[in-house]
Amino acid sequence: QQQVKQSPQSLIVQKGGISIINCAYENTAFDYFPWYQQFPGKGPALLIAIRPDVSEKKEGRFTISFNKSAKQFSLHIMDSQPGDSATYFCAASMNTGFQKLVFGTGTRLLVSP
Amino acid sequence: NAGVMQNPRHLVRRRGQEARLRCSPMKGHSHVYWYRQLPEEGLKFMVYLQKENIIDESGMPKERFSAEFPKEGPSILRIQQVVRGDSAAYFCASSPTSGGTPPETQYFGPGTRLLVL
Repeated sequence: QQQVKQSPQSLIVQKGGISIINCAYENTAFDYFPWYQQFPGKGPALLIAIRPDVSEKKEGRFTISFNKSAKQFSLHIMDSQPGDSATYFCAASMNTGFQKLVFGTGTRLLVSP
Repeated sequence: NAGVMQNPRHLVRRRGQEARLRCSPMKGHSHVYWYRQLPEEGLKFMVYLQKENIIDESGMPKERFSAEFPKEGPSILRIQQVVRGDSAAYFCASSPTSGGTPPETQYFGPGTRLLVL
């Protein structure tokens, strides 16, 4: 119940294309869904986050789509660039007084020039 | 403003030795979280600390692992009598407060890669 399932494991997209990464969860108590971006040798960095009271959030080329009834959320990267090549993690947490993040297994994105 | 600092970045230990991982949170942050990332897996929560207090250690193995965040100095994750299965990347994150709506962002350090021979 505490798992967050992420797919695909890896993704190759041409420059200018759309990258789509999907996540699903079981625990309906989760109320915060962030996406993290991690470059090799670095720690994860928050990219964008959404709460379940909205169905979509957009920041620049990055959009989260959230489907509460299906318990799924996805990250869309529009106009993907080689600099977007990184590993992306979805995560979820519930407010228990602090944010205990439950991470997906990650998607390794490669944007080819 | 320096980010979260972790050292060492790489640590090699032989089975049975002790590993000490240090984390200095961002300036003004008094909440520290430790996560472990096994190869080809996502990060898994280990422990959440505030200054001088362990708030939640539900993700930390009961034996050999301990964490502290003293009043002065960095947070320390200590692994005694390391085994090969402890080989992983250990990430520390910090936040200025905890909880809230929306939750405070956790800022991650670059991690310590532990290799147990």
